[in-house]
Amino acid sequence: NAGVTQTPKFRILKIGQSMTLQCTQDMNHNYMYWYRQDPGMGLKLIYYSVGAGITDKGEVPNGYNVSRSTTEDFPLRLELAAPSQTSVYFCASSPDGISGELFFGEGSRLTVL
Amino acid sequence: DQQVKQNSPSLSVQEGRISILNCDYTNSMFDYFLWYKKYPAEGPTFLISISSIKDKNEDGRFTVFLNKSAKHLSLHIVPSQPGDSAVYFCAASADNQGGKLIFGQGTELSVKP
Repeated sequence: NAGVTQTPKFRILKIGQSMTLQCTQDMNHNYMYWYRQDPGMGLKLIYYSVGAGITDKGEVPNGYNVSRSTTEDFPLRLELAAPSQTSVYFCASSPDGISGELFFGEGSRLTVL
Repeated sequence: DQQVKQNSPSLSVQEGRISILNCDYTNSMFDYFLWYKKYPAEGPTFLISISSIKDKNEDGRFTVFLNKSAKHLSLHIVPSQPGDSAVYFCAASADNQGGKLIFGQGTELSVKP
């Protein structure tokens, strides 16, 4: 059972470049989330989705975009990369969005130079 | 505005002894609290949770205590094992927030043989 799969695991970007972090889950979960973790900090919510076609902003959405065309996929788009977006990004999913128990991917480490 | 705080960045404990990790919160609307465990280069994994209607929840060696009047929760690990060495995140959610979690900064636990 793959769970939540994120690609790529590592990426170096130049300032101003764009990229998409991919996230796929095979558990048929309706709720999906993108978090970022900066050194010495907790995870901050970027965007979340309660089902296909529905997305909403979290705590730190600026500089990011998301889409949710299917239940399985929740890609995160960075349009104009900035050094402040250097971080580790985690995608997560949840079956019901009630208990708060999230299933996380392994993370994607992004460096913007 | 840090709604969930873990004031100890690190904790070192001898194998077999008790580990106590602490967490404070400020938002009285939080009604569900969770602990996640994270190993290096992996995503966080759910450990244990507690609803605001309870003051204690046990699962094997792990017990979470909630003191609502003090807005404080703690995780007890007894007995501690070297495999428990990881970063522990406290998280909180409110019932009407679609499973969105607010995380603390994390406490790195080191259990020495």
